[in-house]
Amino acid sequence: QVQLVQSGAEVKKPGSSVKVSCKASGDTFKNDAFNWVRQAPGQGLEWMGGIFPLFETPNYAQKFHGRVTITADIYTSTVYMELRSLRSEDTAVYYCARAKISHMDVWGKGTTVTVSS
Amino acid sequence: DIQMTQSPSSLSASVGDRVTITCQASQDINNYLNWYQHKPGKAPKLLIYDASNLETGVPSRFSGSGSGTNFTFTISSLQPEDIATYYCQQYDNLPTFTFGPGTQVDIK
Repeated sequence: QVQLVQSGAEVKKPGSSVKVSCKASGDTFKNDAFNWVRQAPGQGLEWMGGIFPLFETPNYAQKFHGRVTITADIYTSTVYMELRSLRSEDTAVYYCARAKISHMDVWGKGTTVTVSS
Repeated sequence: DIQMTQSPSSLSASVGDRVTITCQASQDINNYLNWYQHKPGKAPKLLIYDASNLETGVPSRFSGSGSGTNFTFTISSLQPEDIATYYCQQYDNLPTFTFGPGTQVDIK
């Protein structure tokens, strides 16, 4: 059974960066895409971007272009999301999710990122 | 960019009631639509994919329909464990995705 295990909660200063990891177990990594979705307090779900590890080409939501980098390490079956120039509005729970082409069927438990001075 | 709207933004219904949520896309997205359930403190859960296909293990009281720009999500008999926020998600322009704003469902 596929599982996604995310790294722990982070507290960051405004202007700094955060890198969240998502390790996949099971025979899923090379054949599927992995996405990052966040939920800020009181807000809805927001797709940030994704990557197909086999091709290593990420795609990003326009909103985050230039500020986010998504990478994948096929040897450790781990996907990473780095968000730079953090501001208070980036305080959110960040989820990774496997996408079977068109739908996200397996999700990590989420990583809370708090941006505060 | 394709914009998604959902209505209502929230609703309150009694146990056993039929609940319907609508999702509208700003342009034709065929049947490229999924529905997710999200409970506080939990990861989102896929319920319906490709507009009308029930994900494995999801109770049959959940259903979806529609194509083009108008979609409907239905809970045929609301249960206490269905308290959550429900999101539609379009994928007409893979590999990008867009979520709707969500519909919060409560028990009256």
